[in-house]
Amino acid sequence: AQSVAQPEDQVNVAEGNPLTVKCTYSVSGNPYLFWYVQYPNRGLQFLLKYITGDNLVKGSYGFEAEFNKSQTSFHLKKPSALVSDSALYFCAVRVPNQAGTALIFGKGTTLSVSS
Amino acid sequence: DTEVTQTPKHLVMGMTNKKSLKCEQHMGHRAMYWYKQKAKKPPELMFVYSYEKLSINESVPSRFSPECPNSSLLNLHLHALQPEDSALYLCASSQDPGGNTGELFFGEGSRLTVL
Repeated sequence: AQSVAQPEDQVNVAEGNPLTVKCTYSVSGNPYLFWYVQYPNRGLQFLLKYITGDNLVKGSYGFEAEFNKSQTSFHLKKPSALVSDSALYFCAVRVPNQAGTALIFGKGTTLSVSS
Repeated sequence: DTEVTQTPKHLVMGMTNKKSLKCEQHMGHRAMYWYKQKAKKPPELMFVYSYEKLSINESVPSRFSPECPNSSLLNLHLHALQPEDSALYLCASSQDPGGNTGELFFGEGSRLTVL
């Protein structure tokens, strides 16, 4: 079965410091990996995805993620955190090349950035 | 237009009521999805429509009935719901139901309260 795991329920970081939100995956074959952010009482916003190619993926709002096949990880990073980055972050995986499948989400990590 | 529009934003219904949630996208996407999300939990897949045909039903109770009248519209008909069905219902769409490389675009959700 395809799955992703987010080992941390909450990540706390001071504004201006780098942040990392962790994600590991378990898939058969090549994974299609995604990061989404959710602000309170809102829908999910797409940040970035890894399909193939460069292991470092750049996305929206200054976020990036590094795909590491040997460690089966896809951690989300940002060099300098903002208070406005405080939100709930989800890692997700899609099953490749099977028609009509969908995203499978990790449990989510709450990011709290303090000023 | 890169939006997925969901109506209503809020819905309160009794256990004997019949109501519907509506979702619309005009991005030409051929896959549409319903997810259910409880507070601070990941979205859980309910249904997937691929080219207007139901391709995945994740063992959802029959009191939830999806409908895809055309490629732009997705409905979720609700009847005889239980209080535990109270949640945020998210609609999403994606461009490529076959290849699965594309991200899902989410609406803002319909917050349902069942009394």
